[in-house]
Amino acid sequence: AQTVTQSQPEMSVQEAETVTLSCTYDTSENNYYLFWYKQPPSRQMILVIRQEAYKQQNATENRFSVNFQKAAKSFSLKISDSQLGDTAMYFCAFRPYNTDKLIFGTGTRLQVFP
Amino acid sequence: GAVVSQHPSRVICKSGTSVKIECRSLDFQATTMFWYRQFPKQSLMLMATSNEGSKATYEQGVEKDKFLINHASLTLSTLTVTSAHPEDSSFYICSARMAGSTDTQYFGPGTRLTVL
Repeated sequence: AQTVTQSQPEMSVQEAETVTLSCTYDTSENNYYLFWYKQPPSRQMILVIRQEAYKQQNATENRFSVNFQKAAKSFSLKISDSQLGDTAMYFCAFRPYNTDKLIFGTGTRLQVFP
Repeated sequence: GAVVSQHPSRVICKSGTSVKIECRSLDFQATTMFWYRQFPKQSLMLMATSNEGSKATYEQGVEKDKFLINHASLTLSTLTVTSAHPEDSSFYICSARMAGSTDTQYFGPGTRLTVL
């Protein structure tokens, strides 16, 4: 079975600091997509960053970057210069190329303190 | 771009009644839409996948007669919770995949359903 594991239920970071959220996944597939979604208190799911498994280069979107280790099946999210607006639930998600189904992790609640 | 709306945002209904939730892609065409359910402090669980003009594909354990899904156009999918009961109370989220795209899903803001 394909699973996504987020081992940190809660994290906190001070404003302007850097924080890393962990995500591991289990699959026998070779081609797939990985995503990080943010769910703020409004409950709106927002795409933060995506990575295609065949690309070795780590994806980056402004203050957000990933460390994709395909052999280790690890996909961590680094948030630099944390801002108060980054406070949210963060979900790691996985999708094989050949299906529509997004498989979500259990989420990490991030609190950014002033 | 890539905005998905849901209506209503909140609904309270009596046990035994039916409730319809709409999901619209506002600025793109969505050949595929997805319906998720999220329990408090939990992750999203996929309920069903709907493709425009065809029957929805339901995940194991989801009652298709209870959760009716219609995807009649490239911008609208509806979820009808029939004969709702208190255990159906939850947060329902839809997402849409852009026509011609194979990866990213864009999510709606969700609908909180409370069944009394």
